[in-house]
Amino acid sequence: NAGVMQNPRHLVRRRGQEARLRCSPMKGHSHVYWYRQLPEEGLKFMVYLQKENIIDESGMPKERFSAEFPKEGPSILRIQQVVRGDSAAYFCASSLATGVAEAFFGQGTRLTVV
Amino acid sequence: GQQVMQIPQYQHVQEGEDFTTYCNSSTTLSNIQWYKQRPGGHPVFLIQLVKSGEVKKQKRLTFQFGEAKKNSSLHITATQTTDVGTYFCAGARDFGNEKLTFGTGTRLTIIP
Repeated sequence: NAGVMQNPRHLVRRRGQEARLRCSPMKGHSHVYWYRQLPEEGLKFMVYLQKENIIDESGMPKERFSAEFPKEGPSILRIQQVVRGDSAAYFCASSLATGVAEAFFGQGTRLTVV
Repeated sequence: GQQVMQIPQYQHVQEGEDFTTYCNSSTTLSNIQWYKQRPGGHPVFLIQLVKSGEVKKQKRLTFQFGEAKKNSSLHITATQTTDVGTYFCAGARDFGNEKLTFGTGTRLTIIP
């Protein structure tokens, strides 16, 4: 049973380009979370999704950032017109059930904006 | 919004010494989870506590959930170099709200 798969592991983008980060949850998991981590800092919640639904996007910047989790395929975190401040590690996590299930994290995508 | 704070932010200990990190939530939690992130790695689940006053042990690690379900602690006895990393607590307010709010983390370094 493969774990949470994120790709790419490393992504370099020039300012103004788009970044697409993919996350395939563990088999059977329908709950996906995206977190952002700056160097030497904690995990900041961005968005929580279930299949085809955004449940909580209170941590997402209002502009340039969007997320989806389609019926088929991976969850996508999309950052348009990236700026240097978007450079961070983006972690995806998935869980099995509602409420108290543990979250399994992917290895993250390290985004560098140059 | 819900805030989860951890203290200390950093802790340096001699190998063999004990280590404790404390987690405090601004709101009552339905459950609390603990994760460990090794340098350069991703968070890995350690344990979950649900009941008020619950205490769980994993070898040298002892986890406690406060009576009011607003705070928690992780204690490591006789630290080893493999304990190096950042320890995060994460809480959920209620069973209907699945968002895990992570604490600020405590980075543990071990002096051999």
